[in-house]
Amino acid sequence: AQTVTQSQPEMSVQEAETVTLSCTYDTSESDYYLFWYKQPPSRQMILVIRQEAYKQQNATENRFSVNFQKAAKSFSLKISDSQLGDAAMYFCAYRSAETSGSRLTFGEGTQLTVNP
Amino acid sequence: DTGVSQNPRHKITKRGQNVTFRCDPISEHNRLYWYRQTLGQGPEFLTYFQNEAQLEKSRLLSDRFSAERPKGSFSTLEIQRTEQGDSAMYLCASSLAGQGAGQPQHFGDGTRLSIL
Repeated sequence: AQTVTQSQPEMSVQEAETVTLSCTYDTSESDYYLFWYKQPPSRQMILVIRQEAYKQQNATENRFSVNFQKAAKSFSLKISDSQLGDAAMYFCAYRSAETSGSRLTFGEGTQLTVNP
Repeated sequence: DTGVSQNPRHKITKRGQNVTFRCDPISEHNRLYWYRQTLGQGPEFLTYFQNEAQLEKSRLLSDRFSAERPKGSFSTLEIQRTEQGDSAMYLCASSLAGQGAGQPQHFGDGTRLSIL
């Protein structure tokens, strides 16, 4: 079974600064997808960014980018020019592309605080 | 796109009672998922449907839990004889099938269940 680990329960960053959230995962599969989701206090989970394992190029979405290291099974999220609205719980998630199952496996989450 | 809708937002009930939650997915999405999230943890997969067929169930889904998706549209999740441990946020998500497992799942606001 796949597992996802986020080793930073809490992180803080100053507004306009850059912060990196860590995520590692364990799998024996070679084809899969990785996601970062954001869950603000209103509780709705919002997709931030997605990475396909067979693509070497790191995904980027505006101020959000990932550092995907497939051999190391590492998938970190970098938030540049942090804004107050970035404050939320961030979850890393794994989804197999090989099995018929469609579930997301989530990490424990990292609570990000943005200080003005 | 009206998003994934879940009702009710909050449910408070006494131990031993039955509860039912409803999820209305994004209209063109044929896959629908249920997750459970306890405080401070990432969501855990419960079950998913493709159209009206329930294709996968987690071992977390005990015999007190049942989910349906008649006609492949909205879904209901029923918990019978509720227990204290059922207190959690129940999240619904939907996605398109096809084009591999990379289709992102879109989440609703969730239903928070509190067992007295």
